[in-house]
Amino acid sequence: IVMTQSPATLSASPGERATLSCRASQSVSDKLAWYQQKPGQGPRLLIYSVSTRATSIPDRFSGSGSGTDFTLTISSLQSDDFAIYYCQQYYDWPRGTFGQGTTLEMK
Amino acid sequence: EVQVLESGGGLVQPGGSLRLSCAASGLTFRGYAVTWVRQTSEKGLEWVSTISDGGGKTYYADSVKGRFTLSRDDAQNTIYLQMNSLRAEDTALYYCARAYCSITTCYNFILDPWGQGTSVTVSS
Repeated sequence: IVMTQSPATLSASPGERATLSCRASQSVSDKLAWYQQKPGQGPRLLIYSVSTRATSIPDRFSGSGSGTDFTLTISSLQSDDFAIYYCQQYYDWPRGTFGQGTTLEMK
Repeated sequence: EVQVLESGGGLVQPGGSLRLSCAASGLTFRGYAVTWVRQTSEKGLEWVSTISDGGGKTYYADSVKGRFTLSRDDAQNTIYLQMNSLRAEDTALYYCARAYCSITTCYNFILDPWGQGTSVTVSS
């Protein structure tokens, strides 16, 4: 299953709303997670099962979608949110696949 | 502090071997599946291998099957990835990650926490 993220780069300012997209080449049902990665660190789980926030993830992060089209929304960007975001399908576990990432950069 | 720490990476010639280790601090691997994922700028994040919580089952990407072996030592809280017959295309940053568990459920292929990675370079 190929995961395609868009846009590749998103420029936004603190306080703005950011919307990141992820499309699967076939249905992954609700088996979709989002991760955040900062330089020099491994990814951190944000969202799983499309819309469930992981432990300690603030509620400005939300996920939506079903089947093949998914969205990660950050309601009001904070400086700590500028990073790379990856979607991952685990429908085809253990052959889970990741998107190529969206870089969220500060405008 | 909760930490996953990978080690064992380095420079190796094609055809050579490396053993990566993944140790946990402030958390346990016992009872959890553990996965290795590698990252390159060309391919992004790529699943490599997963070991079940008891170690009875291991899963491998087709690209590494027959060359890599995943094992665990729960007494040492450590996971090992033995990599043999290494190829240039195995060059990557290798991450170890534990299965994520919510209050009620564990998910074998939802990964958290991750380590910071260990770099493997296969080159002559």
